[in-house]
Amino acid sequence: GQSLEQPSEVTAVEGAIVQINCTYQTSGFYGLSWYQQHDGGAPTFLSYNALDGLEETGRFSSFLSRSDSYGYLLLQELQMKDSASYFCAVRDRRSGYSTLTFGKGTMLLVSP
Amino acid sequence: DGGITQSPKYLFRKEGQNVTLSCEQNLNHDAMYWYRQDPGQGLRLIYYSQIVNDFQKGDIAEGYSVSREKKESFPLTVTSAQKNPTAFYLCASSGGQSGSDEQFFGPGTRLTVL
Repeated sequence: GQSLEQPSEVTAVEGAIVQINCTYQTSGFYGLSWYQQHDGGAPTFLSYNALDGLEETGRFSSFLSRSDSYGYLLLQELQMKDSASYFCAVRDRRSGYSTLTFGKGTMLLVSP
Repeated sequence: DGGITQSPKYLFRKEGQNVTLSCEQNLNHDAMYWYRQDPGQGLRLIYYSQIVNDFQKGDIAEGYSVSREKKESFPLTVTSAQKNPTAFYLCASSGGQSGSDEQFFGPGTRLTVL
């Protein structure tokens, strides 16, 4: 089966940098995705890593180490609107089809 | 505008009743998914479908049923056999065109069993 571990909550102040870690155990690993979800809203895609290394998209970056079964999401120049839950998700294959298995999420609280 | 719609936004049900949640997409995506989210929890996969007239059970399919008669539609029925149905239900779709197989989510339906 699949399992993912990420911290339940992280707090930071505006303008700071925060890193949200994710470790996973899975078979048939294809890649690691990150999604953002504001309270009561729909999750939205942030990034995806299939290969080792860092992917940068604006203020957000994501890192993957396949050998360590580990990844992280790095958020820079934090803004109040970044307060949300962040989910890592492993992309794998079941019955020949691509699926995502999500972690329990990390709630990020950004204070002034 | 392309997107995914779910209806209703809020749904109340009496114990012992079946209820059907709607999910429609106009993104021309082949794959569709249903997830359940409980407070403070991640998303758990209920059912998924990659093509019309075909679907597979996810991690928590017991007490749920689906159909995929049209590419655009993937309704979820929560049956009376589901022991604890109160939750936030999210529908998603993906086109498989990008390497990430990014999933696009609807706004969700919040189901409460009275």
